[in-house]
Amino acid sequence: DTGVSQNPRHKITKRGQNVTFRCDPISEHNRLYWYRQTLGQGPEFLTYFQNEAQLEKSRLLSDRFSAERPKGSFSTLEIQRTEQGDSAMYLCASSQNKESQESTDTQYFGPGTRLTVL
Amino acid sequence: AQSVTQPDIHITVSEGASLELRCNYSYGATPYLFWYVQSPGQGLQLLLKYFSGDTLVQGIKGFEAEFKRSQSSFNLRKPSVHWSDAAEYFCAVGPVSGGYQKVTFGTGTKLQVIP
Repeated sequence: DTGVSQNPRHKITKRGQNVTFRCDPISEHNRLYWYRQTLGQGPEFLTYFQNEAQLEKSRLLSDRFSAERPKGSFSTLEIQRTEQGDSAMYLCASSQNKESQESTDTQYFGPGTRLTVL
Repeated sequence: AQSVTQPDIHITVSEGASLELRCNYSYGATPYLFWYVQSPGQGLQLLLKYFSGDTLVQGIKGFEAEFKRSQSSFNLRKPSVHWSDAAEYFCAVGPVSGGYQKVTFGTGTKLQVIP
């Protein structure tokens, strides 16, 4: 078990540029989540995948944000035309659904990607 | 809608002293409850979780938490704090059912440990 990994760990970009982050979940986990965390706040849910299907998206996820999980393994989160308000830590988590489909699993988090938009 | 309140933004304790971090939740039934710890610049590490059964839950690093349904609370405790416990602690609540996963986090309590 190598844990959840995220790349890059830090990204500095200029306003208007596109950025893409990658998350590699724990290998046997079928669920994957993206969160955003700003200073002084807890993580806020962005989106969730079960295998390759994106099942839920938060209202926080504007049209500039897109997430994919091809083949149900790693996931990417892309932000187009970045704005200064996008500056945050982007956290990925994964879990293995062992109980009923509707139950809450224990989520394991990666180290995050810190985005700074200048 | 579910919600979590961590009333203490910042707590300072002396090394060796006991610790209690407060967490109150709002949910229509008994939810799933979690405590996570986050060191500076790092992701979140799960300390413990409550799904059902014994209301006193033991976690890693000597932490425990007690679920009190009557008070809608899930406070985190440690009998003797170590300097390495300095970090930010997040309480979280998740639905027992709902068709999808959505864990809601509190705003966190930052713990400072002084010698």
